[in-house]
Amino acid sequence: EAGVVQSPRYKIIEKKQPVAFWCNPISGHNTLYWYRQNLGQGPELLIRYENEEAVDDSQLPKDRFSAERLKGVDSTLKIQPAELGDSAVYLCASSPGQGHGYTFGSGTRLTVV
Amino acid sequence: DQQVKQNSPSLSVQEGRISILNCDYTNSMFDYFLWYKKYPAEGPTFLISISSIKDKNEDGRFTVFLNKSAKHLSLHIVPSQPGDSAVYFCAVGGNAGNMLTFGGGTRLMVKP
Repeated sequence: EAGVVQSPRYKIIEKKQPVAFWCNPISGHNTLYWYRQNLGQGPELLIRYENEEAVDDSQLPKDRFSAERLKGVDSTLKIQPAELGDSAVYLCASSPGQGHGYTFGSGTRLTVV
Repeated sequence: DQQVKQNSPSLSVQEGRISILNCDYTNSMFDYFLWYKKYPAEGPTFLISISSIKDKNEDGRFTVFLNKSAKHLSLHIVPSQPGDSAVYFCAVGGNAGNMLTFGGGTRLMVKP
């Protein structure tokens, strides 16, 4: 079984530029999460999808961040424009539902210079 | 205000000895508790979990203990191996774990 696939693995951009991350969850996993992990800290939830519906996006900075999950499968997370403080690892995870842990992807390490 | 805290940012243990990683949480409504392990340049991987109806769950060298009255979770690894060197995150969830809140992590170093 393929795991959660994220791309790109690394991204370096200048501030004020846009950036997008892509996630392909495990087949059949209805729940998809985007987390942000700053250096030396634990992952923090940005948004959670149940199928194609965003059910928890309270921590997503909506002035610059957006996400979508078309057809309830793949998801993209976009930042426009990026700021220096956005430098972090962006983790995607999926879950088959309640009572199950997450499976994380390898993450995208974003560096904004 | 952090809901989940791992107060030890790092821990160093000799190979063969026991590693004990600790985690405290604030919300008594949490009912699902997990430990994740993370190697550099990889995403966290699920290690072991426990629900609030239990106080202990064991899987090989890994045992998770839950003290609900103290709102405390711990992970015991025995015997510790150099390959266990990684960052360990505790995570807690309500509604049987459909949304998890993570601690800040503890970096475990197991010395040969």
